[in-house]
Amino acid sequence: GQQLNQSPQSMFIQEGEDVSMNCTSSSIFNTWLWYKQDPGEGPVLLIALYKAGELTSNGRLTAQFGITRKDSFLNISASIPSDVGIYFCAGQKGSGNTGKLIFGQGTTLQVKP
Amino acid sequence: DTGVSQNPRHKITKRGQNVTFRCDPISEHNRLYWYRQTLGQGPEFLTYFQNEAQLEKSRLLSDRFSAERPKGSFSTLEIQRTEQGDSAMYLCASSFGQGAQHFGDGTRLSIL
Repeated sequence: GQQLNQSPQSMFIQEGEDVSMNCTSSSIFNTWLWYKQDPGEGPVLLIALYKAGELTSNGRLTAQFGITRKDSFLNISASIPSDVGIYFCAGQKGSGNTGKLIFGQGTTLQVKP
Repeated sequence: DTGVSQNPRHKITKRGQNVTFRCDPISEHNRLYWYRQTLGQGPEFLTYFQNEAQLEKSRLLSDRFSAERPKGSFSTLEIQRTEQGDSAMYLCASSFGQGAQHFGDGTRLSIL
């Protein structure tokens, strides 16, 4: 099925470093969301973006909705060991009654203490 | 806990058997979604309900799959005559209208 292009696929960083990951699509989306998933659990919502150009923060996390509506990025500042996990971007077209999210392939983050 | 609840968390069954999963959404959410996730991939949309009406189904949802939400609250997903390729994590999510979707912890299905 259709998926978003998420990069990088994986990152291995030192504790305290900043992290940046992004998501691109050939299609326009009206909503972008970022989720974190730990092994054996469901995705947990981190940030939701509803407007092109919107920049939203949640603690050490900052995400932006690209002005073209075809991309989004997530930044994590001053990483800590509990940031380890898989980060997914998801887009929602939002037109008509469609409710489905289209997900990226995920970015696996590992943090070395 | 007022989050999305899924049962069972794990299901192991023999090929050819039928299985049913249950999802209880966040109580005030009128939309309920089912996704499937395989190892190393993001979740893929299967179907969604607004109240009791099933409004969209993915082509991934073969005729062996059926989902219901009879009273607009909990939902069930049934897979008949399971196949090896059905092994996956089945995730349920809910939202209020087109608001952000919140996920449960999923049901992991293993087919022997």
